Amino acid sequence: EDKVVQSPLSLVVHEGDTVTLNCSYEVTNFRSLLWYKQEKKAPTFLFMLTSSGIEKKSGRLSSILDKKELSSILNITATQTGDSAIYLCAVKDNYGQNFVFGPGTRLSVLP
Amino acid sequence: GAVVSQHPSWVICKSGTSVKIECRSLDFQATTMFWYRQFPKQSLMLMATSNEGSKATYEQGVEKDKFLINHASLTLSTLTVTSAHPEDSSFYICSARDLPGATYEQYFGPGTRLTVT
Repeated sequence: EDKVVQSPLSLVVHEGDTVTLNCSYEVTNFRSLLWYKQEKKAPTFLFMLTSSGIEKKSGRLSSILDKKELSSILNITATQTGDSAIYLCAVKDNYGQNFVFGPGTRLSVLP
Repeated sequence: GAVVSQHPSWVICKSGTSVKIECRSLDFQATTMFWYRQFPKQSLMLMATSNEGSKATYEQGVEKDKFLINHASLTLSTLTVTSAHPEDSSFYICSARDLPGATYEQYFGPGTRLTVT
């Protein structure tokens, strides 16, 4: 059964800190790994990763996939209070139609 | 582009009544739509996969007679919670997937918060 694990489950930091969120997975016939940010409503897309070692970057956020280690990290530098959210990692295989979501990391950024 | 809407955004109903939630892809065609539920402080849990023109595929533990799904067109899927009970209170999110050959990714709707009293 496909499985996605995230750590930490909860994290509290102060503005300006840098955080690293982890996602590891067990899935047969891996296709892609996605990161989402969820605030009050539905998740919003951040990154999709399919190849190892290629960093995706968007502003202060970046992410990279390690297919050998079956894991990915999401980095947020110079955190702001607006980064407070749940960060979800999801994995998709080549056969399934759907994503398997991890439990999420709840990030709280204090002023 | 790639906008998915849900209606209603929130609903309160009494125990025993049925509630219908609509999921629409506004600017693309979606052969497949997915329905999730999310309890407070928990991750998304897939309930069912809805394919246009065919029966939905339900995840283990999800009662298909209670959560009726209809995907009548390439832009609309509906979830009906029948004989709702307070334990059905949850946040329901749909997502829609492009046709193959398009971007082939999922786009999420804004969610519907259901409260059953």
